[in-house]
Amino acid sequence: AQTVTQSQPEMSVQEAETVTLSCTYDTSESDYYLFWYKQPPSRQMILVIRQEAYKQQNATENRFSVNFQKAAKSFSLKISDSQLGDAAMYFCAYRSDMNRDDKIIFGKGTRLHILP
Amino acid sequence: DSGVTQTPKHLITATGQRVTLRCSPRSGDLSVYWYQQSLDQGLQFLIQYYNGEERAKGNILERFSAQQFPDLHSELNLSSLELGDSALYFCASSVGQGGIYEQYFGPGTRLTVT
Repeated sequence: AQTVTQSQPEMSVQEAETVTLSCTYDTSESDYYLFWYKQPPSRQMILVIRQEAYKQQNATENRFSVNFQKAAKSFSLKISDSQLGDAAMYFCAYRSDMNRDDKIIFGKGTRLHILP
Repeated sequence: DSGVTQTPKHLITATGQRVTLRCSPRSGDLSVYWYQQSLDQGLQFLIQYYNGEERAKGNILERFSAQQFPDLHSELNLSSLELGDSALYFCASSVGQGGIYEQYFGPGTRLTVT
């Protein structure tokens, strides 16, 4: 079974600085997707960034970028120029592209605090 | 706004009771997924429907059941409620099946069992 591990329950970063959230996953599959979701205090789940496993190039979305290391099964999220609105719970997630079901498997989350 | 609606937003009920959570997917989406977010278990997948048919089951308790109706809305039924069922229940929808299709999450229904 696939698992997603986020080893940092909480992190803090100064506003305008850069922070990296870590994630590792375990799978025997070759085709899958990885995601970072943001959950602000409103509890809404917001997709931040998505990475297809077959793509070697790391995904980027404005201030958000990932470091995808397929062999190491590592998928970290870098947030540049941190803003107060980035304060939230961040979930790393995995989704198979090989199974009949395409459920999302989430890590336990990292709570990110932005210090003004 | 993801386009997925869930009702009610909040629900408070007593142990042993039964409740129904409702989800309306985005227009045109055929797949509906239910997830539970609790302090103990984190975010976990419960069940998936595609065009009215059950497609996958996760860690869904036997006391829980779901269905997807011809108009594609879905309901999650929780019965014989226990304190541990208190959680945020999310519905998500996507156009089709497979990882290529993004899942859009609704705002969730917060269930409190007292």
